Amino acid sequence: GNSVTQMEGPVTLSEEAFLTINCTYTATGYPSLFWYVQYPGEGLQLLLKATKADDKGSNKGFEATYRKETTSFHLEKGSVQVSDSAVYFCALSDQAGNTPLVFGKGTRLSVIA
Amino acid sequence: DAGITQSPRHKVTETGTPVTLRCHQTENHRYMYWYRQDPGHGLRLIHYSYGVKDTDKGEVSDGYSVSRSKTEDFLLTLESATSSQTSVYFCAITKGQGDGYTFGSGTRLTVV
Repeated sequence: GNSVTQMEGPVTLSEEAFLTINCTYTATGYPSLFWYVQYPGEGLQLLLKATKADDKGSNKGFEATYRKETTSFHLEKGSVQVSDSAVYFCALSDQAGNTPLVFGKGTRLSVIA
Repeated sequence: DAGITQSPRHKVTETGTPVTLRCHQTENHRYMYWYRQDPGHGLRLIHYSYGVKDTDKGEVSDGYSVSRSKTEDFLLTLESATSSQTSVYFCAITKGQGDGYTFGSGTRLTVV
């Protein structure tokens, strides 16, 4: 079945550091891929998505590129801020969109000033 | 303003009692979901609905039931709460399963 694997956390970075959170997936065909963010005490929010190979999703300075050849969708940001401290989830929807999203286990990011 | 609300936000209940959590949406979306979030497990799907009276099980459905008698409401019932059901429960909605989800703010349930 479909699955998503994220790098284990927590990740601790200094302000203005470069961020990468790895995400790889297993699925048939061409799934849609998503990154969600969860701030403390809140529900998840959609951060960005990509629906086909080589697409780049971007939002709030975050980017992720859909790499079919490596089945990856790594999240990156060039300069993190304290306000980026949150839990980040990678998720996958199958190609036909017939089944619910499958989520990774989440990666906690802490950014220190 | 997000169009989805969960109630209650917090609840403490005793083992063996029934508990119902409510998810209400104003977006008229077809799909609704219940997830639970636990440390080390991420988000796990309990049940979902693809229309009024149309529901299906997720990966952790044992001990839970759901009902959707109206488009806007999706109820999650713990028939007889156990300590293993202590968790944070999230509801989510979407107009299409290939689209992004909108999540509620969650219900923190403690079973003592």
